Amino acid sequence: EEQLLESGGTLIQPGGSLRLSCAASGFTLNNYPMSWVRQVPGKGLEWLSVLRDNGATTYYADSVKGRFTISSDSSQNTLFLQMNSLRPEDTAIYYCAKDSTGTTLDSWGQGTLVTVSS
Amino acid sequence: QSVLTQPPSVYAAPGQKVTISCSGSSSNIGDNSVSWYQQLPGTAPKLLIYDNNERPSGIPDRFSGSKSGTSATLGITGLQPGDEADYYCAAWDTSRSVYVFGTGTQVAVL
Repeated sequence: EEQLLESGGTLIQPGGSLRLSCAASGFTLNNYPMSWVRQVPGKGLEWLSVLRDNGATTYYADSVKGRFTISSDSSQNTLFLQMNSLRPEDTAIYYCAKDSTGTTLDSWGQGTLVTVSS
Repeated sequence: QSVLTQPPSVYAAPGQKVTISCSGSSSNIGDNSVSWYQQLPGTAPKLLIYDNNERPSGIPDRFSGSKSGTSATLGITGLQPGDEADYYCAAWDTSRSVYVFGTGTQVAVL
């Protein structure tokens, strides 16, 4: 069974940095495009970034470009999201998701909450 | 932020049918396949429809999807209380190289 488990969410001050992890099991992470999606509680879904082509290609939403970096470690079968220069508006639940066709997020983690506040 | 427009809410009685529209543009829905996601209260989103009208294993045929031009539609027949959730359409946007979600629609079963 495919599973994704996010971790690393916490309370952090504005301007700080944080790295989220997404541990995959039941499949080989680098064989699929992998995305990060966030959701402000009570609001809609916002796609942030995708890592595809066995890690060779990345895309980012304008809202996080230059501040967030997506990466993976094949030895750990884990996806990461490095978040720098965090802002209060980055407060959200962060989900990782596996992409089965290039445009289909078919497996999702349970999410990890990031709160950016002083 | 969202470039795909959905109605905020739809509702119907148990057993009835609802449809949710998703309006985009030539660079997203018009150029790529559409997926639909269901998010039950307090849970992570779940894939409901992919490639415009395909259902993953385990999704009942009460759920259906279609696409025409720059718009897509999700249909739910035989509405059940367990269908109360938020529903999101999504597609890749070719011109911006980003994945875009719809604004989301809350389905209520009266």
